[in-house]
Amino acid sequence: DQQVKQNSPSLSVQEGRISILNCDYTNSMFDYFLWYKKYPAEGPTFLISISSIKDKNEDGRFTVFLNKSAKHLSLHIVPSQPGDSAVYFCAASAQTNDYKLSFGAGTTVTVRA
Amino acid sequence: DAGVIQSPRHEVTEMGQEVTLRCKPISGHDYLFWYRQTMMRGLELLIYFNNNVPIDDSGMPEDRFSAKMPNASFSTLKIQPSEPRDSAVYFCASSRGRLGEQYFGPGTRLTVT
Repeated sequence: DQQVKQNSPSLSVQEGRISILNCDYTNSMFDYFLWYKKYPAEGPTFLISISSIKDKNEDGRFTVFLNKSAKHLSLHIVPSQPGDSAVYFCAASAQTNDYKLSFGAGTTVTVRA
Repeated sequence: DAGVIQSPRHEVTEMGQEVTLRCKPISGHDYLFWYRQTMMRGLELLIYFNNNVPIDDSGMPEDRFSAKMPNASFSTLKIQPSEPRDSAVYFCASSRGRLGEQYFGPGTRLTVT
């Protein structure tokens, strides 16, 4: 049972424009959320996180928004660059479950020059 | 630092054979995680260790799977006997502290024929 869902398997965006990746979750106990980025033949790398006590966290070109009532989070990348082309995974964890990460299926982002 | 090191990077074996995957975590990290990535189930946590002690192995699919961490710098994931449905990419990750950023290795792509 997938508790974290990324319903868009792929996203294509022009260089310089905004990329918006979406993630939905079903477990109301989740209180910590993360985004990971993965290049082919490499392991995922941490990108940005957000605690459930916040609704926004920003780090350079990356911003994560959390809407707890809708059980929805999104990752905004502005501006998108060719090096951002990768698979992006949304992950969530709960203190009640020892912060074990549950991952979404991933969204493949392609940034067009 | 060299990052998390996994070996082998690729493993092809026949059904029924024993498979051993290896991981060297980042020095100073006290948590080690084993994940499996498949098309059907995505990225899922198999087991994790704290200070070389297994904490939660509820994600281990069957008794055919076992993991050990004899010291702070080495862990193994063993499958015996292997089956075609074990074909997947297996990632090892380590972190400093339970909520520390998890650093993933490059993964081992296992193919069981």
